[in-house]
Amino acid sequence: DAKTTQPNSMESNEEEPVHLPCNHSTISGTDYIHWYRQLPSQGPEYVIHGLTSNVNNRMASLAIAEDRKSSTLILHRATLRDAAVYYCILRGQGAQKLVFGQGTRLTINP
Amino acid sequence: DTGVSQNPRHKITKRGQNVTFRCDPISEHNRLYWYRQTLGQGPEFLTYFQNEAQLEKSRLLSDRFSAERPKGSFSTLEIQRTEQGDSAMYLCASSPEGGAPNEKLFFGSGTQLSVL
Repeated sequence: DAKTTQPNSMESNEEEPVHLPCNHSTISGTDYIHWYRQLPSQGPEYVIHGLTSNVNNRMASLAIAEDRKSSTLILHRATLRDAAVYYCILRGQGAQKLVFGQGTRLTINP
Repeated sequence: DTGVSQNPRHKITKRGQNVTFRCDPISEHNRLYWYRQTLGQGPEFLTYFQNEAQLEKSRLLSDRFSAERPKGSFSTLEIQRTEQGDSAMYLCASSPEGGAPNEKLFFGSGTQLSVL
């Protein structure tokens, strides 16, 4: 599985937008970009995924660079409940499992 | 959809004892995964099942670990002769089909194991 690089930690304020970056310079053409997050004492939960085009859902938006070597998860208006570890994961054809890195620990200040 | 259920939520055991964890996936999900997570690290893959067949095991899964999924429904993960290094959160996940690259995984809340 292709490797992703994320900052170890980020901090933001409540009710402000948050942009979580992910670099994946070795991404292949069939790799999907997945984001999961893990709240304290919980298992990971799916946030969003995309292939080439930007994606929106009720939780977040995913902006994918034109060359697909990086992507950004956007939380439009952070709440305290969004404090979690966010994982950016690539999954391609034939990849039978998700491979997690260390993710980005997001802290939200009230 | 009641979600992925894991039992027990917490387990404290003494070194050398055997422990067994149970995972009930979302109904009709064909694929079931086990992961292990230690403090400050991302989840590490242990093994997965497609229905009742165990198709891949990580090198992390020593011979003290065994997982089963009889009849392709719930799964159990057993650790024999536990060691302090086995202390971790054990996570179970399921997905509907067979591992397509755009498929979502649904995780349980995990079983926290502490080996004294």
